[in-house]
Amino acid sequence: GEKVEQHESTLSVREGDSAVINCTYTDTASSYFPWYKQEAGKSLHFVIDIRSNVDRKQSQRLTVLLDKKAKRFSLHITATQPEDSAIYFCAASRGGSNAKLTFGKGTKLSVKS
Amino acid sequence: NAGVIQTPRHKVTGKGQEATLWCEPISGHSAVFWYRQTIVQGLEFLTYFRNQAPIDDSGMPKERFSAQMPNQSHSTLKIQSTQPQDSAVYLCASSLEDWGAEQFFGPGTRLTVL
Repeated sequence: GEKVEQHESTLSVREGDSAVINCTYTDTASSYFPWYKQEAGKSLHFVIDIRSNVDRKQSQRLTVLLDKKAKRFSLHITATQPEDSAIYFCAASRGGSNAKLTFGKGTKLSVKS
Repeated sequence: NAGVIQTPRHKVTGKGQEATLWCEPISGHSAVFWYRQTIVQGLEFLTYFRNQAPIDDSGMPKERFSAQMPNQSHSTLKIQSTQPQDSAVYLCASSLEDWGAEQFFGPGTRLTVL
C-alpha cells in the first residue's frame, strides 16, 4: 500500500523566514495531496491541497509543489509568523473509490520571534 | 455549522471491556472517515463510508473493531474486548465528496484502556 514519508520531523525558523516541508510517496496512482495542521491539543485543520493535474498551487503565504516524476511534494510557507507553529501533516490519496488518506508522520514547525 | 461532532471526548475502559465511539458528520457531507492517532504509529486510516455504505475497511483490525453508519447523521466505531494497544485518539472526518475533497476532522475521542 501507499507509504508517505515526511522528511523533516522538526523544523525551526525565525519569524519572517520561509519554511519548507518535504514529503515523498510511493504509489504512482496517488493523485490528491492535502496538508493538515495540528496545533497542540487540537484536531487536524485543513491547510491546502493539490491535485495531480497541476504542479503548483498557491494560497496566500502557502505554496504546494508537486513533482510526479520524483513522487515528491512540498509545502512552502513564506513570511512565517508565530501562529504558524504547529505540527504539519502531508497526506496522499489515490482517488476514485479509494479516498482514504495516508499520512506522513508530521513535522513540528516552530517559529521563533 | 457545528463541524464534526464526536462523543465522548474522553473514554477510559478496563481491559476486555467494550467501547463505542460516536460521530456526527457535517450535514450534507456524503463521506465519513475514521482514523486513529498515536504517538508511535501516527495517523492511521481505519474505515470509510460513502452515502452510508461501507467502502473501505482495510485499516480496521478485523476481530474486535466494527463500524456502522445507520443513518446520514451518525456513525459509530465499536471496539470489543479493548486492549491497552487500542489506546489512541480516534478521529472522525467528513467531506462533501469522498475523493479530492477537504476532509473536516472532529475533535477526536481519546480512548484510554487500562
